[in-house]
Amino acid sequence: SQKIEQNSEALNIQEGKTATLTCNYTNYSPAYLQWYRQDPGRGPVFLLLIRENEKEKRKERLKVTFDTTLKQSLFHITASQPADSATYLCALDTEGNEKLTFGTGTRLTIIP
Amino acid sequence: DAGVIQSPRHEVTEMGQEVTLRCKPISGHNSLFWYRQTMMRGLELLIYFNNNVPIDDSGMPEDRFSAKMPNASFSTLKIQPSEPRDSAVYFCASSAGYTDTQYFGPGTRLTVL
Repeated sequence: SQKIEQNSEALNIQEGKTATLTCNYTNYSPAYLQWYRQDPGRGPVFLLLIRENEKEKRKERLKVTFDTTLKQSLFHITASQPADSATYLCALDTEGNEKLTFGTGTRLTIIP
Repeated sequence: DAGVIQSPRHEVTEMGQEVTLRCKPISGHNSLFWYRQTMMRGLELLIYFNNNVPIDDSGMPEDRFSAKMPNASFSTLKIQPSEPRDSAVYFCASSAGYTDTQYFGPGTRLTVL
C-alpha cells in the first residue's frame, strides 16, 4: 500500500546535538517533498521544500536531503535548541499536483 | 497580511447538529485546502479548490461533509448531521499554486458530544 512513514513517533535529543528525522515513502514518485513544523495548538508551518533533482537544501541550521532511489528524505537540525522542540511533518506531492500527503510526524524534544 | 483566518477556533456541539467551519485564505492565493487532523489518522486532506473550483474531494469522508468556495476570499466546510467521530481539528490552508508553500490557519477544534 502507499504510505509515508516518519522514523519515530517521538525523538529526544540533547541540546547542542544534531537531530536527524527520517521520512520514508513507498510507491510514490514525488516531484518534491516539503517539511513542516507544528507546535501544539497551531497549524503546520512550512520550513523547506526540496525537488526531486536536488540532493540537498539548507536554511540556517536546517538541512534536508532527498534520495529518490532510497525513497527517503532526511531532515537535520544542527546545534539543536529547546526552542526547536515541536512536531515535524514531511509531505509529498503524491499525485503530481498541489495535493500533499503528510506523514504522521515526529515529536522532537530537545533536552537542555 | 493576517494569514489564513479560520472561525470559530473552538466548536462544541451535540450529535446530529449542523456544523459550519469558515476560512478566509491569504489574499492572492488561488488554491485552498481543507484538512482534518486526529491522533489516530494524522493530517488528512479532505478537499481542495483551485480558483474557487473543487478539484479533488476524494478525502471527504461521506455525504455528511460538504465544502463550498463562493468567492476567492471565503470557503466553508459543513458537516450535517455531525457525529462524535467527526471530533478533530480542522485546518484550512492556502497557497499560490503548485509546488508553492501551503500556509495553514490556526485550526478549528471541533468536539461533537
